[in-house]
Amino acid sequence: QKEVEQNSGPLSVPEGAIASLNCTYSDRVSQSFFWYRQYSGKSPELIMSIYSNGDKEDGRFTAQLNKASQYVSLLIRDSQPSDSATYLCAVNGDSGGYQKVTFGTGTKLQVIP
Amino acid sequence: ETGVTQTPRHLVMGMTNKKSLKCEQHLGHNAMYWYKQSAKKPLELMFVYNFKEQTENNSVPSRFSPECPNSSHLFLHLHTLQPEDSALYLCASSQVGNEQFFGPGTRLTVL
Repeated sequence: QKEVEQNSGPLSVPEGAIASLNCTYSDRVSQSFFWYRQYSGKSPELIMSIYSNGDKEDGRFTAQLNKASQYVSLLIRDSQPSDSATYLCAVNGDSGGYQKVTFGTGTKLQVIP
Repeated sequence: ETGVTQTPRHLVMGMTNKKSLKCEQHLGHNAMYWYKQSAKKPLELMFVYNFKEQTENNSVPSRFSPECPNSSHLFLHLHTLQPEDSALYLCASSQVGNEQFFGPGTRLTVL
C-alpha cells in the first residue's frame, strides 16, 4: 500500500466550478498535511498546510482533514485556467526516529475555459 | 536572496563529465533534500539530510554523491551519468518534519 495516495487524473472542471482533490494516507500518527501546486516544468509551491481536523480556508482554497478516515482534501472554488497544474499532497510521519514528509504522485487538474 | 536557490539552472553534460549541483537555503531550516523528477513522473526522493546528517538514501546509484557541509548548503556531485539520468533535480529545505520549500530546480541533460 502506498503511503500517500492520489488519483493521477486528469481532473477536468469548467472555469468557475469547484475542483475537489483528494488524498488518503496510511500512517495513522501523521500530524501535518500539505498541499503543493506544481506547474509543468516548475518546482512545487506550497499552497496550504493543515494540522487539525476540519476545514482551513485561504482565499479560494479550502483544505479539509479527517484523521479518523485518514483523508485530506483540497477544494478550489471559482476555478480559473491558471489553476491548471498538478497538485501534490504531502504528509509527515516518523521514519527511523526522524520526521519525514512523503509526497503523493499528484493529481493533474485541468480547468477548461 | 530569498528562499531556496539552486545553481546552475540548466546543465548539459556528457557521460564522462563530472559536475556538481549546488543548493543554498536562506530560511534557517535544519533539513535539506534532493529530489529527482523525470518527465511526466512523480517526485522521487533521493537524499535527506537532517542537521547535516544523511538520514535517507533511497537506493540512489553511486554516480550521485551528496554533500552537506552545513545546514545551509547542499551539493549533488555527478559523475559518469547515463542519459536516463536526464531530469529536473530539485532541492528543498524544511524544519524537520514540517513543510518543505523547493528551489527552482536544475534541468539536467545527459548526452
